[in-house]
Amino acid sequence: DAGVIQSPRHEVTEMGQEVTLRCKPISGHDYLFWYRQTMMRGLELLIYFNNNVPIDDSGMPEDRFSAKMPNASFSTLKIQPSEPRDSAVYFCASSGARGGQPQHFGDGTRLSIL
Amino acid sequence: AQRVTQPEKLLSVFKGAPVELKCNYSYSGSPELFWYVQYSRQRLQLLLRHISRESIKGFTADLNKGETSFHLKKPFAQEEDSAMYYCALRTGANNLFFGTGTRLTVIP
Repeated sequence: DAGVIQSPRHEVTEMGQEVTLRCKPISGHDYLFWYRQTMMRGLELLIYFNNNVPIDDSGMPEDRFSAKMPNASFSTLKIQPSEPRDSAVYFCASSGARGGQPQHFGDGTRLSIL
Repeated sequence: AQRVTQPEKLLSVFKGAPVELKCNYSYSGSPELFWYVQYSRQRLQLLLRHISRESIKGFTADLNKGETSFHLKKPFAQEEDSAMYYCALRTGANNLFFGTGTRLTVIP
């Protein structure tokens, strides 16, 4: 198993542009999580899904951020319009349904908004 | 509200010295604590969890409910232990609250 797969690995774009981050969870995992990592705030949970349904999006910073999970094997995190303060590393993670299952993380997408 | 505090952003120790990475939590329910590690150029991965009471790569962590702590310890640090360490609290469901992380540097 290749684990959680994220794309792109790096993204550099100008402010105001739309940014789409992609994630493929581990097959069979029921939970999918999106995190943002910054030096100041560490790892913050943005949103998570259970069986493709968004459960808690209270961590999504603003309406500029949106996430979807159209099927069990794919999720997107979109920022529109992007701003320089959105620059961070965005991680996707997935886990199984049984209690205590650890989360498995992708390599992350390093996003730079100029 | 739940909270995970890692008071040290940076920690440096010499090779062979003991190391302790501090983690304190705040949670009204029954906590489930984890330590995750991120080595250079690698993805974040689970190091250990308190329910397993295991030792991984020489690291141990004991949940102290009285002090609401879950400090990570290793008696003799190795250079390959240099990494970013995150303490995490699981509250219901499967979501985790992470601390801000501690970057450990082991000096040869």
